[in-house]
Amino acid sequence: ELKVEQNPLFLSMQEGKNYTIYCNYSTTSDRLYWYRQDPGKSLESLFVLLSNGAVKQEGRLMASLDTKARLSTLHITAAVHDLSATYFCAVEGWDGGSQGNLIFGKGTKLSVKP
Amino acid sequence: EAQVTQNPRYLITVTGKKLTVTCSQNMNHEYMSWYRQDPGLGLRQIYYSMNVEVTDKGDVPEGYKVSRKEKRNFPLILESPSPNQTSLYFCASSFGAVQETQYFGPGTRLLVL
Repeated sequence: ELKVEQNPLFLSMQEGKNYTIYCNYSTTSDRLYWYRQDPGKSLESLFVLLSNGAVKQEGRLMASLDTKARLSTLHITAAVHDLSATYFCAVEGWDGGSQGNLIFGKGTKLSVKP
Repeated sequence: EAQVTQNPRYLITVTGKKLTVTCSQNMNHEYMSWYRQDPGLGLRQIYYSMNVEVTDKGDVPEGYKVSRKEKRNFPLILESPSPNQTSLYFCASSFGAVQETQYFGPGTRLLVL
């Protein structure tokens, strides 16, 4: 069974601190996606990681992909309150699946406190 | 404005009464997909479509149907809704299934009594 596991599921941070969210997956996919969802809102695409070693950065967020370890990380630098949201990773379900079949993690709910 | 629209946004219905949730995108995207979001379960893919007349099952297709007769529209049909289909539904689209950013609709909150 394909699995995408995020850790932690809940994260309470202080402003200015750094932290990392982890996304482990069991497929052989080399493509991984990160999304953000604000409370009561829809999802917004953050990063598309397309190959081993891919690293992308946007503001205080940086995502990386290690396909050999089947691991992606979302690193938060000097957190600010505006980053409070739920973050999802997703991978393609290659194993027995097909292109276009996306498997999501359960999400990491991030709360940044002053 | 480039967007994915869904209708209705909120719906309360009763068990067994057929319903359709529409999804439309104005970005000429080939790929479209439906997800449901439930507390503690994250998002799960219901169906997706790589292009017109091409649809595939996601992880939780039971109880749902879709069609893709035109590029811009991808309706989700519940022929006989049941209470376990109470959920928040999202439609999404992108130029391709891979390598591309998905754009999500605003969501449809469905309650089946």
